Amino acid sequence: EAGVAQSPRYKIIEKRQSVAFWCNPISGHATLYWYQQILGQGPKLLIQFQNNGVVDDSQLPKDRFSAERLKGVDSTLKIQPAKLEDSAVYLCASRTGGGAGFGTEAFFGQGTRLTVV
Amino acid sequence: RKEVEQDPGPFNVPEGATVAFNCTYSNSASQSFFWYRQDCRKEPKLLMSVYSSGNEDGRFTAQLNRASQYISLLIRDSKLSDSATYLCVVTGFNKFYFGSGTKLNVKP
Repeated sequence: EAGVAQSPRYKIIEKRQSVAFWCNPISGHATLYWYQQILGQGPKLLIQFQNNGVVDDSQLPKDRFSAERLKGVDSTLKIQPAKLEDSAVYLCASRTGGGAGFGTEAFFGQGTRLTVV
Repeated sequence: RKEVEQDPGPFNVPEGATVAFNCTYSNSASQSFFWYRQDCRKEPKLLMSVYSSGNEDGRFTAQLNRASQYISLLIRDSKLSDSATYLCVVTGFNKFYFGSGTKLNVKP
């Protein structure tokens, strides 16, 4: 079974530029998450999709971050304009099932390492 | 208050030692619990699920105490390859909340 695919693996941009990340979840997984992981910290949830609808985006800095999941499959996360503090690894994860999602694990992609200079 | 709290460590232990990590969570309605392992510069991967009755997988034992709202992970006979960051995960209504992770260094 193919895992969660993310691209690019690495990205270096200057502050105030824009950047986009792409995620292809495991086939059939209804739930998709984007996490931000700053060095030395645990992953922080940015946004959660159930199929193509947003379930939770309370922690997404909406003045600069946006995300979409068209057709309930692939997803893109965009930052515009980027700030130095956005330097982090952006992880995409997917999971089966809706509802309470009891008992099922989330599978992670390898992440995109963003450096803002 | 954070959803999930962990001691960041690091825990520096010799090979063969037994080490235990704890994690507390704030939402009593939380439904599922997991331990994930994250190697340096890699993505988190599931280590084991945590059940109310406790569960064991080889050298690893996970326990859940709902009354006190904490989860534990016990590693026996530590190996060098166990060196990693261990992330506690608590879920509810399809949301996954991660702790900040506990770093384990197993020394020869």
